[in-house]
Amino acid sequence: GAVVSQHPSWVICKSGTSVKIECRSLDFQATTMFWYRQFPKQSLMLMATSNEGSKATYEQGVEKDKFLINHASLTLSTLTVTSAHPEDSSFYICSAPRQNTEAFFGQGTRLTVV
Amino acid sequence: KQEVTQIPAALSVPEGENLVLNCSFTDSAIYNLQWFRQDPGKGLTSLLLIQSSQREQTSGRLNASLDKSSGRSTLYIAASQPGDSATYLCAACYNQGGKLIFGQGTELSVKP
Repeated sequence: GAVVSQHPSWVICKSGTSVKIECRSLDFQATTMFWYRQFPKQSLMLMATSNEGSKATYEQGVEKDKFLINHASLTLSTLTVTSAHPEDSSFYICSAPRQNTEAFFGQGTRLTVV
Repeated sequence: KQEVTQIPAALSVPEGENLVLNCSFTDSAIYNLQWFRQDPGKGLTSLLLIQSSQREQTSGRLNASLDKSSGRSTLYIAASQPGDSATYLCAACYNQGGKLIFGQGTELSVKP
């Protein structure tokens, strides 16, 4: 079964609203989680590293004020897309690595901003 | 800059054929390399993980190899089936932290 759970799997929102996506590690603690974005027909691009108990680390070109990341516990990280616009429509997916094993990914969230 | 490249971008083969997907990475100092499968509109399914100290990993009809010196990995699929149709992604990990750098993927279509 899934070891990383991501919700919601899809969401449609109006332009200007905010959307929160949750990523949970189900049977292990994850001090670090990663958030990726995937545009159609493209590969996954790392957006940010979520660190439990401290600020997230953002990749170059990713607006930290637009993509708010909170890693409040060892099993939960959230990504909030603030003031969403149509160009934010994408597939967002999180991963939580277990040390020395493969990275486990959530099911992904398809965000459509209308 | 650490980059991962996959060729071909798309591949169409008849059922039953053996095939090889290629992945290359610019920085050979990888910690591990992982192959994933992604079905349309879905998340990622981990197929194989090769640690830097390993040369290959096998799971059923899948075999992945790793050659750090040349910066290459291959995914071999034996006796392909229509159910193998999907996008295959390779990703390089450069530290224990688990951050992955993905290739662009190979979209595989296996025709019955």
